[in-house]
Formats: sequence, structure tokens, C-alpha cells
Amino acid sequence: EADIYQTPRYLVIGTGKKITLECSQTMGHDKMYWYQQDPGMELHLIHYSYGVNSTEKGDLSSESTVSRIRTEHFPLTLESARPSHTSQYLCASSELDEQYFGPGTRLTVT
Amino acid sequence: KNQVEQSPQSLIILEGKNCTLQCNYTVSPFSNLRWYKQDTGRGPVSLTIMTFSENTKSNGRYTATLDADTKQSSLHITASQLSDSASYICVVADRGSTLGRLYFGRGTQLTVWP
Repeated sequence: EADIYQTPRYLVIGTGKKITLECSQTMGHDKMYWYQQDPGMELHLIHYSYGVNSTEKGDLSSESTVSRIRTEHFPLTLESARPSHTSQYLCASSELDEQYFGPGTRLTVT
Repeated sequence: KNQVEQSPQSLIILEGKNCTLQCNYTVSPFSNLRWYKQDTGRGPVSLTIMTFSENTKSNGRYTATLDADTKQSSLHITASQLSDSASYICVVADRGSTLGRLYFGRGTQLTVWP
């Protein structure tokens, strides 16, 4: 099992709230990713990072932002949550060709 | 357009039976193809990774095949167990970018009944 952690696992929050989804890995990987996944649909890349102080937007337009101040930590922030942000958010890190996923955060915005 | 298509969308089998899941892709230039298992409410876990030169790879009761000419892959599960109930996702990586862009299929939802 990969050493990549996400908190919280489940979050129900009201519209307009600011939230931060946490992701940490202890494998020392430089590359980290955030994906969004809706039920029965494919994963969509929303942010990625090559290393400390490197962040890029992915293929799916997202109103979230990320930061990479430390190698092991890659948090995702939503400044003002909306019902359209309801989804599962998966964090991953990679070394060479292998990508390791965290358990995900199930976000529901009411 | 780079795409990954999986079939069937869902499958129900009895415990102990074998099954085969299919994946067709149009990703180019091709780097590698991966199969992941995703349990409900969890992140995907890698089962196999195959490069262009590999046409079969096994991981326990899971055997993946790759035909790079026809751009098709299959995942064969032998002697299924209840714990095999999950979504199986085919993922293709391209080698046209520094990131090693991944293209995900929507998965096949497998249910194993006792």
C-alpha cells in the first residue's frame, strides 16, 4: 500500500465556504497530482506539480488552487465552494512510470 | 483525439468464474498501458504496467495483454473472488509530454456474486 494520505475522507459543507483538502506523501516523490472523479466517469487531471514551488493547471478547468511549499505536501483549496464542486478528489504522486493514489476525499457541497 | 474506451461498462459473474475486460485506445504516441483496480470509496491501485514491447503481463490471478498494433488490451481475471468486486480502469500514458500525460477509461464495474 502506498504511503499517500488524504484528509478529510468525507466532507459536507455549505455553499460559499472556503475549504482545503489535504494530501501528504512520505515517499519523497517530486511529482504530485490532483484528480477529480464523478461516479462512473473517468478521472480528470485538475492540477499537478513537478516539485517544490511548481504548480500547473491540468486539463479540466477548476476553480480550485494548489500550493507546493514542501515536497511531501500538496493541498488543494476552494475559496468559495459551490454545489458544482461536489465530487471525489483524488491525490496522487509518481516515481518513474508508477503513480500512487491516495484514498480520496468525497466532497459534498449543499 | 486521444481516448480510452472500456467494455463492458459493467459485469456480474459468479465466484470462481473467469472473466475478461476490454480496453481500446487511440492515444499516440504510446508510452505504456496500465490497469488499475479501484475499490468503492478508495483510490486506484496499480495491477500491471505494460510498455510497447510487452504483450502479456501477470500479477497473481490478473493477466493483462496488449496488442499495440490494434491498440487493444484485455485484463483476464482467473478464479474470481468476492474481493475482486471493484472498478477496473484502463489507463494509457503518452510520451509526447514531459509530464507523461495519462488518459483514463471510465472503468468496468465488476461484481462477483457468491
